[in-house]
Amino acid sequence: SQTIHQWPATLVQPVGSPLSLECTVEGTSNPNLYWYRQAAGRGLQLLFYSVGIGQISSEVPQNLSASRPQDRQFILSSKKLLLSDSGFYLCAWSGGAGGNQPQHFGDGTRLSIL
Amino acid sequence: QQQVKQSPQSLIVQKGGISIINCAYENTAFDYFPWYQQFPGKGPALLIAIRPDVSEKKEGRFTISFNKSAKQFSLHIMDSQPGDSATYFCAAPDRGSTLGRLYFGRGTQLTVWP
Repeated sequence: SQTIHQWPATLVQPVGSPLSLECTVEGTSNPNLYWYRQAAGRGLQLLFYSVGIGQISSEVPQNLSASRPQDRQFILSSKKLLLSDSGFYLCAWSGGAGGNQPQHFGDGTRLSIL
Repeated sequence: QQQVKQSPQSLIVQKGGISIINCAYENTAFDYFPWYQQFPGKGPALLIAIRPDVSEKKEGRFTISFNKSAKQFSLHIMDSQPGDSATYFCAAPDRGSTLGRLYFGRGTQLTVWP
């Protein structure tokens, strides 16, 4: 069966420090991969999505970037964190192309910026 | 783009009662409408989904009703239990996307009192 892993589960970082959040998927190949941010009391904001290795699309211009160095690995990064980057970051995958595929989420990373 | 409007924002129901959450979407090229359930500190988990070649889908105590002409769909939780207390998100696929992109509602925080 397919599983998705995110780490770390929680992270406290000072303003101006770099960031690297990792997400890996097991049990499937060539998934679509997604990074979301969830602010308290709000919905899910799509940040990046990827349909293949090295293919990244950005939804919202911001202080973050994403990379996909391997088929089932998706990384969210920042060179210098801002206070506004605090939030709950979720990685998700779906099976291939088509607008009728379910997305499956990891358990997220709670990021606090001090 | 796609907008998904979800209501109510919060819902309090007594144990054994019926919980009803409503969503409306704008346009879609695909027929796939999932609902997600999220517990605190966890990622959203796929709860139930409907492909509107049918107007209703039932899985246990959870039912999705779909009105394609009105572009509305709703989640009904029968015999609500305290363990159902969670945040629920509806989603609709992107209008022109073949990438499996979903637009999410802002969520409904359900509290079931014992």
